[in-house]
Amino acid sequence: EIVMTQSPATLSVSPGERATLSCRASESVSNKLAWYQQKPGQAPRLVMYGASTRATGIPARFSGSGSGTEFTLTISSLQSEDVALYYCQQYNKWPPGTFGQGTKVEIK
Amino acid sequence: EVQLVESGGGLVQPGGSLRLSCAASGFTFSDYPMNWVRQAPGKGLDLVSSISSRSSNIYYADSVKGRFTISRDDAAGSLYLEMNSLRDEDSAVYFCARYTVRYPYFDLWGQGALVTVSS
Repeated sequence: EIVMTQSPATLSVSPGERATLSCRASESVSNKLAWYQQKPGQAPRLVMYGASTRATGIPARFSGSGSGTEFTLTISSLQSEDVALYYCQQYNKWPPGTFGQGTKVEIK
Repeated sequence: EVQLVESGGGLVQPGGSLRLSCAASGFTFSDYPMNWVRQAPGKGLDLVSSISSRSSNIYYADSVKGRFTISRDDAAGSLYLEMNSLRDEDSAVYFCARYTVRYPYFDLWGQGALVTVSS
């Protein structure tokens, strides 16, 4: 089973500043990497797939990059509504499509 | 509106049983592989079970194999999870989630059903 490791566990960023979240796979997953956003008390929401393609309705301030084992989700200018937990998930080898443990993004 | 709505959660004693349902609407349910993903309190996301379109392929996490059964009724647009021999560690919010037709990532989620296993 592929292990996904996210860092940092918590990210504190000032409003309008850049937030950079990392996700590392224990072996190559090509570009088969998705990101999800989960706000408190809500279901997860797809943010990014194919490592760098924004899902429907996701603002342009969200961008994704990476391939192989190293991936990044960037929020270029953090807004208050972006406060959430963010999970990465690989889907190159499945089942199961394994999730990372999550990064909590908060306002500094 | 495209949506998934879970029902059937609740409080059950260890060793008991529960059946979760997920009603789909706004899309052709039979075209899509479907899943149950759970999240224990304060924890991350774990895939519990998956079922392909036409029910030809089924996956269970090792932790639930032999105790949980996933099924679908395409005519009714519904997904089910029969949970038996429930344990404390099965306590979680259970999300119904849709895979895309082409790739196994989740593009649609239900709001979740809380299952609490406790005496």
